[in-house]
Amino acid sequence: GNSVTQMEGPVTLSEEAFLTINCTYTATGYPSLFWYVQYPGEGLQLLLKATKADDKGSNKGFEATYRKETTSFHLEKGSVQVSDSAVYFCALNLWAGSYQLTFGKGTKLSVIP
Amino acid sequence: GAVVSQHPSWVICKSGTSVKIECRSLDFQATTMFWYRQFPKQSLMLMATSNEGSKATYEQGVEKDKFLINHASLTLSTLTVTSAHPEDSSFYICSARTAGDNEQFFGPGTRLTVL
Repeated sequence: GNSVTQMEGPVTLSEEAFLTINCTYTATGYPSLFWYVQYPGEGLQLLLKATKADDKGSNKGFEATYRKETTSFHLEKGSVQVSDSAVYFCALNLWAGSYQLTFGKGTKLSVIP
Repeated sequence: GAVVSQHPSWVICKSGTSVKIECRSLDFQATTMFWYRQFPKQSLMLMATSNEGSKATYEQGVEKDKFLINHASLTLSTLTVTSAHPEDSSFYICSARTAGDNEQFFGPGTRLTVL
């Protein structure tokens, strides 16, 4: 079956530090890959996505590259801000009648001033 | 564009009562809607997938008679938690996608507390 594994948190960083959240996947086929962000008490927002190998998704200073050879989609940001504090979910989907999403367990990021 | 709303945003009810949660796609037609449940500090668990005009497909372990899903139109799906009990307390999130697009757009979630 399909699965997503992401690094466990929580992750605590100082403002302006470099962020990496690792994500690897297992899938039968060629999935699309996503990073979602969830702020406290809210639903999920799409942060970025990539639909094929070597694609780089980017948004709000965050980047992730679809690496087929390592089945990875690591999230990076060069300089985090306090406002980036949230839970980040890596996910994949494949057409199986409904493009169902498979989520990782989430990584909580706390950025301190 | 691609906004999904949920109503109510939070609800408190007594044990044994039923609660209905609405999920609406505001600016697009949602051919498929998904319902998730999220426990504190955990990931989202897919409960069911519903296509407009047809019966929902429930994930293994989800009681279809307890969690009634209706997707009567291309912009509205409802989740009814019947005879709610404290263990049903959770954060329920819906998402929607349109035909030909593999991206899901998420609602803001509904916090259900059953006393």
